[in-house]
Amino acid sequence: QKEVEQNSGPLSVPEGAIASLNCTYSDRVSQSFFWYRQYSGKSPELIMSIYSNGDKEDGRFTAQLNKASQYVSLLIRDSQPSDSATYLCAVRESGGGADGLTFGKGTHLIIQP
Amino acid sequence: GAVVSQHPSWVICKSGTSVKIECRSLDFQATTMFWYRQFPKQSLMLMATSNEGSKATYEQGVEKDKFLINHASLTLSTLTVTSAHPEDSSFYICSLIPGLAAYNEQFFGPGTRLTVL
Repeated sequence: QKEVEQNSGPLSVPEGAIASLNCTYSDRVSQSFFWYRQYSGKSPELIMSIYSNGDKEDGRFTAQLNKASQYVSLLIRDSQPSDSATYLCAVRESGGGADGLTFGKGTHLIIQP
Repeated sequence: GAVVSQHPSWVICKSGTSVKIECRSLDFQATTMFWYRQFPKQSLMLMATSNEGSKATYEQGVEKDKFLINHASLTLSTLTVTSAHPEDSSFYICSLIPGLAAYNEQFFGPGTRLTVL
């Protein structure tokens, strides 16, 4: 059974600092990796996607993928109080769109003003 | 990103009744839509994959006769929870992928919160 593991937190980070979120996955054939942000009572919002080993940067966010270690991470620079949310790591077996996502339970991030 | 709507946003029903939830793609056609369920403090769990014009594919442990999915058009998929019971109370969220190209991201609707009394 496919598993995606995340530390549930809460992870508390001072405003302006770097928040580091980690995720490991069990299915070695996984091809696509995503980070979603979910505010309480709301549906997930896509933050980043990554498909190749290495780093991918988008604004204050950097996703890192290491397929050999089956590890995905998300760095949030210059953390803001509005970044406080639950961050979900999601994995898809294929590169294409026909498969649903397997989600981790999420890491609750708190940015302290 | 893609614009996805769900209706209703919340619903309260009595045990034994059926509830229909609609998921619409507002700005493009989607041959595949997904239905997820999220219980409090838990992660999203994929329930089924909805394919336009064909039968849905259900994940292991999801009762296809209880959760009826209809994907009659490229912009609309419906999930009907039949004979709902309190344990079906959950946050139901649909998602879809714009286009058919590989490596497309999945975008979620706003969700429907179902409470069964």
